Amino acid sequence: GQNIDQPTEMTATEGAIVQINCTYQTSGFNGLFWYQQHAGEAPTFLSYNVLDGLEEKGRFSSFLSRSKGYSYLLLKELQMKDSASYLCAVDHNTNAGKSTFGDGTTLTVKP
Amino acid sequence: DVKVTQSSRYLVKRTGEKVFLECVQDMDHENMFWYRQDPGLGLRLIYFSYDVKMKEKGDIPEGYSVSREKKERFSLILESASTNQTSMYLCASSLPRGGGGYEQYFGPGTRLTVT
Repeated sequence: GQNIDQPTEMTATEGAIVQINCTYQTSGFNGLFWYQQHAGEAPTFLSYNVLDGLEEKGRFSSFLSRSKGYSYLLLKELQMKDSASYLCAVDHNTNAGKSTFGDGTTLTVKP
Repeated sequence: DVKVTQSSRYLVKRTGEKVFLECVQDMDHENMFWYRQDPGLGLRLIYFSYDVKMKEKGDIPEGYSVSREKKERFSLILESASTNQTSMYLCASSLPRGGGGYEQYFGPGTRLTVT
């Protein structure tokens, strides 16, 4: 079966750094996605990790450890607009491009 | 620019009605997906299609069917709507990324209420 765990909610202060963790136990693993979803909107792509290590992209970074079944999304210099739900998703390495999504972490950024 | 559109943003139907949700993508993607999203349950895959006329069940196919007659269009059908199918329905299509994996592009969603 597929099991993906992330915290349900997190709160952080504007300008701070926050780390959102994701652990997974799945059959068939090619890589891990992070998507951002603002309330009432569709998810949009943030990052994809296939190799172990940290991938940095501006204020956002994503880390993967395949041996530990663990990933995190790191958001620096938080802004109010970063308040959103963050979804981790396992890419199952199928030709159909199927992914299994976690339940999402709702991040609230406070002034 | 990538575009996935869904036929309605909001829909209200009665119990027992047949409901059609339409999704169209203009990116020539092979793969298309239907999810439902409920609070506390995340995104759950209903059905997906990897080619015209090809479909596979996802994690929660019961009570749903799909149709893919043309590459750009993927329809979700609720044969007899029930109140437990009240949800946000999201369509997506996917493309192989240069860096690996298949990035999914989502439509704006249809919020369906069954009364």
